[in-house]
Amino acid sequence: GQNIDQPTEMTATEGAIVQINCTYQTSGFNGLFWYQQHAGEAPTFLSYNVLDGLEEKGRFSSFLSRSKGYSYLLLKELQMKDSASYLCAVRSHAGNNRKLIWGLGTSLAVNP
Amino acid sequence: EAEVAQSPRYKITEKSQAVAFWCDPISGHATLYWYRQILGQGPELLVQFQDESVVDDSQLPKDRFSAERLKGVDSTLKIQPAELGDSAMYLCASSPAGGADTQYFGPGTRLTVL
Repeated sequence: GQNIDQPTEMTATEGAIVQINCTYQTSGFNGLFWYQQHAGEAPTFLSYNVLDGLEEKGRFSSFLSRSKGYSYLLLKELQMKDSASYLCAVRSHAGNNRKLIWGLGTSLAVNP
Repeated sequence: EAEVAQSPRYKITEKSQAVAFWCDPISGHATLYWYRQILGQGPELLVQFQDESVVDDSQLPKDRFSAERLKGVDSTLKIQPAELGDSAMYLCASSPAGGADTQYFGPGTRLTVL
């Protein structure tokens, strides 16, 4: 089967660093996405990893280990506006069918 | 910056009524997706179009839901009749090349069925 696991909720303090983990079991892995979704809004694209290693983009970084089926999103210098849900999605393919498998999301609360 | 457009943003209807949602993808994006998202969960793919053709509608409840993209540009998702369990956010997304390339989402339509 295909499965993505991420923590349901996390809490952190403004100015701190937080790491949101995502583990996956999918067929034909072909890339992993992180999206941010504020309450009542649509998901917005944050990052994409297809090779092992760390991708840095400003305060946000994303890491991938394909052999471990593991990724994390690292948020530095947390701001109140970072309070949102963070969705992990894996691009999977079986035969000619390529699709995104979505996790349930991690709700991050940033406190002052 | 180009965006995916959706309307309406909010819709309240009574059960057994018909509702329709509209989506205009980013210009030039061949692939269009309709998702349903229940609060606290990830998006669930309802239907995927490549140009005007349906690529995946395996999770679309076809007894009440229908979707079309007649000219391969904008798209309409319809529910008839609506049921209480259909209350959710309906998201439209598009991507340039299909096959689950980076998807860009519209603002969504929040449906409430009373």
